[in-house]
Amino acid sequence: EVQLLESGGGLVQPGGSLRLSCAASGFTFSTYAMTWVRQAPGKGLEWVSAISGGGGSTYYADSVRGRFTISRDDSKNTLYLQMNSLRAEDTAVYYCAKRPGYNYGYFDYWGQGTLVTVSS
Amino acid sequence: EIVLTQSPGTLSLSPGERATLSCRASQSVSSSYLAWYQQKPGQAPRLLIYGASSRATGIPDRFSGSGSGTDFTLTISRLEPEDFAVYYCQQYGSSFTFGGGTKVEIK
Repeated sequence: EVQLLESGGGLVQPGGSLRLSCAASGFTFSTYAMTWVRQAPGKGLEWVSAISGGGGSTYYADSVRGRFTISRDDSKNTLYLQMNSLRAEDTAVYYCAKRPGYNYGYFDYWGQGTLVTVSS
Repeated sequence: EIVLTQSPGTLSLSPGERATLSCRASQSVSSSYLAWYQQKPGQAPRLLIYGASSRATGIPDRFSGSGSGTDFTLTISRLEPEDFAVYYCQQYGSSFTFGGGTKVEIK
């Protein structure tokens, strides 16, 4: 059974940093692309970042490029999102999700999310 | 960036009725790389449909997807109580974008 468990969310001041983690199990983590999606309170879904299987290719939404960094440690079956220079508008539940291919496709399994609140 | 517009914003229906949700893209979605997700309050989204018309694992056959190019539809043939939720379309052919969502509520 595929399981994704996010952690690392919390309250941070504007301009601060936070690192999210997503622990994966139930599949061969290294061979699948992964992604982060966020959802501001009461709002819709917004794609944030994606990484290919093996980590050779990374992709970012314009709203976070240059501030966020996606990475993965395949030896630990863990996905990360390093978030720097945080802004109030980054406040959201952050979901990690698995994609069905090495660098392809939709989001077939999702974690339960971790809440990030950016506020002074 | 491909913009996805979902309509209606809210659909008020009774259990047993048919639901038809629309997703329109600002430009053609390549290879029908269009997915649909269901989200219930306090839960993560769940994949329903990918490739515009393929049901994901474990999804009941009352859910069906159709369309190509710029116009896509999610149909729920007979609403069950557990189907009242918010539905999002997503394109994954050119980066990734989501529609704004359609809420299916009990009338």
